[in-house]
Amino acid sequence: GNSVTQMEGPVTLSEEAFLTINCTYTATGYPSLFWYVQYPGEGLQLLLKATKADDKGSNKGFEATYRKETTSFHLEKGSVQVSDSAVYFCALSGGTGGSYIPTFGRGTSLIVHP
Amino acid sequence: SQTIHQWPATLVQPVGSPLSLECTVEGTSNPNLYWYRQAAGRGLQLLFYSVGIGQISSEVPQNLSASRPQDRQFILSSKKLLLSDSGFYLCAWKKTGGVDEQYFGPGTRLTVT
Repeated sequence: GNSVTQMEGPVTLSEEAFLTINCTYTATGYPSLFWYVQYPGEGLQLLLKATKADDKGSNKGFEATYRKETTSFHLEKGSVQVSDSAVYFCALSGGTGGSYIPTFGRGTSLIVHP
Repeated sequence: SQTIHQWPATLVQPVGSPLSLECTVEGTSNPNLYWYRQAAGRGLQLLFYSVGIGQISSEVPQNLSASRPQDRQFILSSKKLLLSDSGFYLCAWKKTGGVDEQYFGPGTRLTVT
């Protein structure tokens, strides 16, 4: 079945530092890939997505590129802010077999200090 | 535009009491609907999903149940709550049949005492 593996957190950075959160997946075919963000006490929000190989999703300074050859979708941001402190979830949907139940990683907590 | 509502926002219930959490979606029709639970520590656990009225699939056997009495209404229930039912409950929807993203509600914080 499908699976998503994220780096363990928490990730602690100083403001303006470079961020990378690793995400790798297991799925057959060509699933769609997503990053969601969850701020404290809130539901998840879609941050960005990519639907085919080599696509780059981007939003609010965050980027992730769909790498079929390495089955990865790493999240990056060049300069983080305190307001980026949240939990980030990598997820996938679809692929061969057509399962429309999304698969989520366990989440990575990001803490940004002033 | 589409919106998703959940209520109540917070709930404190004694062990053994019943539970009813409600989720409604506006601005779309025939959505796929989902209930998740998030215990302390962040991970999402899929509890139930529904692809249509009266069609419920359970992912985890437990003392919870779900119903979909109307196209855009999804209800999570329990006859007798356990301490282990405490957590953050999230409702989500997505378009039928595709691999599009999910849209999540604001969540309900349930504390069983």
